[in-house]
Amino acid sequence: QVQLQESGPGLVKPSQTLSLTCTVSGGSISSGGYYWSWIRQHPGKGLEWIGYIYYSGSTYYNPSLKSRVTISVDTSKNQFSLKLSSVTAADTAVYYCARERDWNQLSYYFDYWGQGTLVTVSS
Amino acid sequence: DIQMTQSPSSLSASVGDRVTITCQASQDISNYLNWYQQKPGKAPKLLIYDASNLETGVPSRFSGSGSGTDFTFTISSLQPEDIATYYCQQYDNLPRTFGQGTKVEIK
Repeated sequence: QVQLQESGPGLVKPSQTLSLTCTVSGGSISSGGYYWSWIRQHPGKGLEWIGYIYYSGSTYYNPSLKSRVTISVDTSKNQFSLKLSSVTAADTAVYYCARERDWNQLSYYFDYWGQGTLVTVSS
Repeated sequence: DIQMTQSPSSLSASVGDRVTITCQASQDISNYLNWYQQKPGKAPKLLIYDASNLETGVPSRFSGSGSGTDFTFTISSLQPEDIATYYCQQYDNLPRTFGQGTKVEIK
């Protein structure tokens, strides 16, 4: 059974960089056919896709956040990470890591999610 | 970006009722649509993929239909454990986008 677990500081100061790591267990992040994503949810709001990384290192970021986002992968640790720079209170949210399955390039869906971690931006 | 619009934003129904949620895409997305259930304090859970395919292990009272720009999600007989917020999500284009959610409550 694949499991994802987010880790990182729960409190970040304004203008600093938010850093989170997602550790994958029960499966290899280097397996083809999966995109490793970050998704966030502002308190009481809907879901916002931040971006993804493939095990090869190729990435795609949501244009709304692209200038501030970096997603990286460490296949040796079976982890991928999110960095979001110059944060403000508007970045306060629950951050989820998730696996998007690529089913023969015909079908894509988020089949496994981490439990989510609340990150608060405040001085 | 493709905009996904769900309606209603919330609904209240009795146990055993049929519940229907609609999702409209801002452009044709074929059947490239998924549905998720999110219970309070939990991560979303995949229920339906490719607009109408039931994820393994998901009860058959859940179903989805539609293609193009208009999609429907149905709970045939609402159960107390179905209390949650439901989201549609398109994967026709990047960035992936979600509907704003529909909160389902028991009357």
